[in-house]
Amino acid sequence: LAKTTQPISMDSYEGQEVNITCSHNNIATNDYITWYQQFPSQGPRFIIQGYKTKVTNEVASLFIPADRKSSTLSLPRVSLSDTAVYYCLVGAGTASKLTFGTGTRLQVTL
Amino acid sequence: NAGVTQTPKFRILKIGQSMTLQCAQDMNHNYMYWYRQDPGMGLKLIYYSVGAGITDKGEVPNGYNVSRSTTEDFPLRLELAAPSQTSVYFCASSYSSWGSGSYEQYFGPGTRLTVT
Repeated sequence: LAKTTQPISMDSYEGQEVNITCSHNNIATNDYITWYQQFPSQGPRFIIQGYKTKVTNEVASLFIPADRKSSTLSLPRVSLSDTAVYYCLVGAGTASKLTFGTGTRLQVTL
Repeated sequence: NAGVTQTPKFRILKIGQSMTLQCAQDMNHNYMYWYRQDPGMGLKLIYYSVGAGITDKGEVPNGYNVSRSTTEDFPLRLELAAPSQTSVYFCASSYSSWGSGSYEQYFGPGTRLTVT
């Protein structure tokens, strides 16, 4: 999988929009970008995936610029329950190379 | 539909003991995975399986063994437990293979293992 770089942690107040950026300079042509969310003492949960431009679902939006060297996960109007670790994964390679990095720890407060 | 289930939830082992972590899924997924997560770290792939009878190594397979005799079950065996295997173990499954265009994996609740 392509190497990714994310902020270690972010803080936000409830009701704000949160944008988490992931850098992936070595992304390959056929690589997809995937985001997972992990709450304490739980397994990760798939949030969204995308290849280019913008993808939106009921939980989040994913913005991917034309050069695809970075991507931004956008969480609209976060609540306390969005406090979690968010992982960015990039790659279309074989499963044997799967690794979740340390992710971004998002703390939402009142 | 229970999704992915794991047993036990917690276990304490003495050095040198062996145990099997159980994982089952009821979504008829062909692909199953075992990860470990050390405190404050991301997840590392131990083994994965693309179907019954077919398994392959991930990034950190040493000290572990797996088998896949049915679509539903994917047990992870620890032989001669060591303190370095103290971790949280997650099992996951997916309908399609990583790299096929879909990257959605379904995770179980995890097994917290301590080796002392």
